[in-house]
Amino acid sequence: GQNIDQPTEMTATEGAIVQINCTYQTSGFNGLFWYQQHAGEAPTFLSYNVLDGLEEKGRFSSFLSRSKGYSYLLLKELQMKDSASYLCAVRVDYKLSFGAGTTVTVRA
Amino acid sequence: GAVVSQHPSRVICKSGTSVKIECRSLDFQATTMFWYRQFPKQSLMLMATSNEGSKATYEQGVEKDKFLINHASLTLSTLTVTSAHPEDSSFYICSASEDRDYGYTFGSGTRLTVV
Repeated sequence: GQNIDQPTEMTATEGAIVQINCTYQTSGFNGLFWYQQHAGEAPTFLSYNVLDGLEEKGRFSSFLSRSKGYSYLLLKELQMKDSASYLCAVRVDYKLSFGAGTTVTVRA
Repeated sequence: GAVVSQHPSRVICKSGTSVKIECRSLDFQATTMFWYRQFPKQSLMLMATSNEGSKATYEQGVEKDKFLINHASLTLSTLTVTSAHPEDSSFYICSASEDRDYGYTFGSGTRLTVV
């Protein structure tokens, strides 16, 4: 099976930076996705990494190291609306395997 | 951008009855659609992969006779939960892919409650 680990919860202050780590051990690798999911809603796409390095998109950045089986999602200038669950997902062949998600709570 | 519509958003049914959930790709042709189940505070678990015009591929442990999947066209896939039981209560989400080498678009999910 696929093993994808990420912290369960993180709390940060509005305007701060939070880094969510994701480690994976999978039978293959065809890219890593980060999604944001608000309670009771569908996941929305944040980022995709298939090569090593940092991908930056506005306040969100994602990093990948394939040799280490490691990725992180960096959220900058946190806003209250960023309070949500963040899901790390690894694509193996054409299927996505998800981590359990990290619930980020942004405090005023 | 790509939009996937999923209906109904919420459904309550009696134990023993069947429920059908629809997933439609509105502005693209989805060669592949995926069905997930998510229990509270848990991850999305892939149930099955459906390809237009062929039988769905179910993940290990998912009963194909209980969760019937039909992908009759390039824009529509349906999941029917047959003889539903309270333990089937969950959040069901579909996603669609126009090209497997690209991304996935998720539907808005269906909250199923079996009473």
